[in-house]
Amino acid sequence: DIQMTQSPSSLSASVGDRVTITCRASQSISSYLNWYQQKPGKAPKLLIYAASSLQSGVPSRFSGSGSGTDFTLTISSLQPEDFATYYCQQSYRAFTFGPGTKVDIK
Amino acid sequence: EVQLVESGGGLVQPGGSLRLSCAASGFTFSSYWMSWVRQAPGKGLEWVANIKQDGSEKYYVDSVKGRFTISRDNAKNSLYLQMNSLRAEDTAVYYCARVRSAAGTPYYYYAMDVWGQGTTVTVSS
Repeated sequence: DIQMTQSPSSLSASVGDRVTITCRASQSISSYLNWYQQKPGKAPKLLIYAASSLQSGVPSRFSGSGSGTDFTLTISSLQPEDFATYYCQQSYRAFTFGPGTKVDIK
Repeated sequence: EVQLVESGGGLVQPGGSLRLSCAASGFTFSSYWMSWVRQAPGKGLEWVANIKQDGSEKYYVDSVKGRFTISRDNAKNSLYLQMNSLRAEDTAVYYCARVRSAAGTPYYYYAMDVWGQGTTVTVSS
């Protein structure tokens, strides 16, 4: 099975900050990596698919990069509505989610 | 409007059974893989199962194999999850999700782009 890890597990940031979240796969998954945002009590929302493709309707301040085992989600300028938990998910072999990264207000 | 609406959650005793349903609308249901994803209280997301457009392929996370069965009825635009031999650790909010695909090499890229609001399953005596 493919295991996913994320770092950090949580971070505190201010509006306007550049935020970077890292996701690592236990084996190479090429670009089969997605990112989701989840707010408390709500369903997850797809942000990025295929490692770097922006889902329709998602603001351009979100971007993804990486290939193989190491991936990054970047929020270029954090907005108040971006405080949430972010999950990576691989689709190379079945599906597996990372443990999540909680972004809260500094 | 593209929409998924789950139902069927509730309180069940350990060892019991429950059947979740997901009603799809606003898109051609038969054209998409579908998934079930769960989230235990205060925990992260866990993928549970996938089913191909025609139901010919099904995949499960190891922890539910042999106990859960995913199925679909394309004529009714509905997805199901039959859950048997339920355990306390199956307690979670269960989401159904549409799986979008994009051409990739060597496989299609898959991602869950539409989600329901979730239905809560509690396994407790």
